Amino acid sequence: DQQVKQNSPSLSVQEGRISILNCDYTNSMFDYFLWYKKYPAEGPTFLISISSIKDKNEDGRFTVFLNKSAKHLSLHIVPSQPGDSAVYFCAASVGGSNYKLTFGKGTLLTVNP
Amino acid sequence: EAGVTQSPTHLIKTRGQQATLRCSPISGHTSVYWYQQALGLGLQFLLWYDEGEERNRGNFPPRFSGRQFPNYSSELNVNALELEDSALYLCASSRTSGQVGEQYFGPGTRLTVT
Repeated sequence: DQQVKQNSPSLSVQEGRISILNCDYTNSMFDYFLWYKKYPAEGPTFLISISSIKDKNEDGRFTVFLNKSAKHLSLHIVPSQPGDSAVYFCAASVGGSNYKLTFGKGTLLTVNP
Repeated sequence: EAGVTQSPTHLIKTRGQQATLRCSPISGHTSVYWYQQALGLGLQFLLWYDEGEERNRGNFPPRFSGRQFPNYSSELNVNALELEDSALYLCASSRTSGQVGEQYFGPGTRLTVT
């Protein structure tokens, strides 16, 4: 049972345009969501997070939107740069003693110059 | 600040053998997490250690075990290796335990079982 789903295995965008990566979840107990970026041969790197009490969080070129009623979140990258090309993982957690991250399978973003 | 380190980078074992993977967290971090990333799958949560105790465990058989040492470093042991254990094993650490916070990942250990 996959509780965090990233339905697009890959996404290709032009440099300077917006990249939108999507993520859906099924567990209504999730109260914290994170995005990680992963380059080949490296571990995932934390990018941005959002608590379930918010619907938007922004950090520079990266914005995460959360729609709790739809159990959907998205990561917007504006403007996209070639260095953003990586696999992006959506993750979710339930706080407290069961704290652990449940990851999606990832979306490979390719930003073309 | 040094990041999470893992050793070895690569490990090749034969089916039935035991594998030991090691992880050193970021200084000041007390929680260590282990994940498995098998081919075609996302990261699957394995184990969470905090203050030397196992706090949570994912859906993996008991032959996956580990421990956390007083200096907060951790070891993952996989006994009776099977071919499907071949995967990238990632360790992560965090500053807080039991509270929401980002996890910082190491580069991983690539385990190959032949």
